[in-house]
Amino acid sequence: SQTIHQWPATLVQPVGSPLSLECTVEGTSNPNLYWYRQAAGRGLQLLFYSVGIGQISSEVPQNLSASRPQDRQFILSSKKLLLSDSGFYLCAWSPSNRGPQETQYFGPGTRLLVL
Amino acid sequence: KQEVTQIPAALSVPEGENLVLNCSFTDSAIYNLQWFRQDPGKGLTSLLLIQSSQREQTSGRLNASLDKSSGRSTLYIAASQPGDSATYLCAVFGNEKLTFGTGTRLTIIP
Repeated sequence: SQTIHQWPATLVQPVGSPLSLECTVEGTSNPNLYWYRQAAGRGLQLLFYSVGIGQISSEVPQNLSASRPQDRQFILSSKKLLLSDSGFYLCAWSPSNRGPQETQYFGPGTRLLVL
Repeated sequence: KQEVTQIPAALSVPEGENLVLNCSFTDSAIYNLQWFRQDPGKGLTSLLLIQSSQREQTSGRLNASLDKSSGRSTLYIAASQPGDSATYLCAVFGNEKLTFGTGTRLTIIP
């Protein structure tokens, strides 16, 4: 069966510090991968998605970036965090052979607090 | 730009009651609609997926309907239980991405 992992689970970082959140998927190959952010009182916002190694699409302009160094690894980064980067970050995957419209499976999330 | 709205934002009902959660979307050109459940501080769990050509889907005590032309979906929960307490999110897939509503926070009172 497939599983998706995210770490860390919780992170408190000062403004201006760097960020690296990691997501890995097990039990499948060549998944579509997604990063979402859920801010307080707002719906989930798609940040990045990837259909393959090195292929990243960005949905919104921001000071975050994403990379996919391996087939089942998706990393969310920032060089300098802003207060507005606080939120709950969710990684998700979907089977690529069934199209992006199929159900996405979400990880447990990382809660980021920027102070 | 697709916008998804869920009303009410919060709902409390006594255990055992049947209830309906509402979702509306502005662009009817969708591929499918999904309902998710999110427990506090946790990720999302997919409950039901309705293709645009379908009218409803059922899973156990849950029934979701879709009226694409009017841009509406409902999630019906029968015989509610305290374990149903969670936030329920509606999401539509269109233009190559999922667009989420802000959710309805449901509390079932024992």
